[in-house]
Formats: sequence, structure tokens, C-alpha cells
Amino acid sequence: KAGVTQTPRYLIKTRGQQVTLSCSPISGHRSVSWYQQTPGQGLQFLFEYFSETQRNKGNFPGRFSGRQFSNSRSEMNVSTLELGDSALYLCASSLGTGGGGYTFGSGTRLTVV
Amino acid sequence: GQQLNQSPQSMFIQEGEDVSMNCTSSSIFNTWLWYKQDPGEGPVLLIALYKAGELTSNGRLTAQFGITRKDSFLNISASIPSDVGIYFCAGQLKGSSNTGKLIFGQGTTLQVKP
Repeated sequence: KAGVTQTPRYLIKTRGQQVTLSCSPISGHRSVSWYQQTPGQGLQFLFEYFSETQRNKGNFPGRFSGRQFSNSRSEMNVSTLELGDSALYLCASSLGTGGGGYTFGSGTRLTVV
Repeated sequence: GQQLNQSPQSMFIQEGEDVSMNCTSSSIFNTWLWYKQDPGEGPVLLIALYKAGELTSNGRLTAQFGITRKDSFLNISASIPSDVGIYFCAGQLKGSSNTGKLIFGQGTTLQVKP
């Protein structure tokens, strides 16, 4: 059974640019959550999508957005990048119906210069 | 925002020793999860707990969901060098508004001396 796939693994962007990250969940999982991991703030919840709808949202500015497609794949977008957006971005998939653990991908390492 | 207090922050132990770490919160959780993260990788789920008082083992790992639903601990017995990494607790609060949202502890960095 394939795990959670995140692409790309590494990304370098310039301040002011925008970026799109992709996450393919485990087959049959309908929920995808996104997290930002930094040394200073740890793992912080960004948002969660279930059946193409954003079901929950963390405390991040509107520059951070996401979407989910009918095949449950999800993308997150960050516009007008800032240096502080440099982080490991992780997505986690789950059944989304309660219970069960959350399986994480390997993440996308974003560096903003 | 919500916080989980995880301790200790780091541990340096001898191979073969037992390890214990815990997480506490002022809020009530309906799910506790324990993850291990290696450098440059995503967290890997070790143990999931869903009921207050639940005690679950996975090989040398044992974790418990606290009776008050505000805490959890993870024990590792007879540590080996490959146990090195960062261990995170994560909890999910009650309520539909918290679906899909995990709150993480700050992590415990474990180093094992052969």
C-alpha cells in the first residue's frame, strides 16, 4: 500500500514569489491535513480538507491556502513568500471519519531567500 | 493557541536503559498519538490511543492515555541505537471543529550511547 507522497521534496524560492506544494494521500483516505514545522514553533496546523471541502483551519495568514481534488489529492499554496515561511511542510492523510491515526508524508523543505 | 507540554526536552542515555517521556495539557483530548521523526523525514506513527486509561504496547514501546484525558506517557524499554530521533506527542481535542487537527508537543530528542 503506497504511503503519503509529497512533491517536491525540496524547493528554493525568492521573497515575493508564490509556491504550490502537492500531497497525494493513502488510497482510500479522504482527509488531508497540512502542517508547518519550524525549529522555533514546532509543528503547527495549517488546514484540513475532507471531500474537497476545507473542514478546519489554523491560525495562519490568508497567504496560505489550499484545495483538494476529487481524487483526494491536495495542494497548498503560499503567495507573496516571506523569509519566515522557510520550513518543512508536512501533510498527513487519514480516513477522516474519526479514529485511526494520521499518516505523514516525508514533507517538502521550502527555503525562501 | 493550544499547547502540549512535553518533557523532557532531551535525553542522553546508555543503550539498554529504559526511557520515559510524557505530555500534559490543561485541555481534554479524545485522541493521543505518539510519533517518531528522523532528520529530514516526516513523523512516523508509533502508537495511537483513543480511550481514557488505555494502555497500548508496540514492541518495546508502551503508551498510556491518562485517566483525566489531559496527559499521556510513552515508555521505551531496553533502548537500542536505532531509537535515536525526536519523539512527539500529539493530541486531538473533542468536537467536530477539531476534526483533522492535531496539536503537537515540542518533542523529546533521544540520543542513545552504544
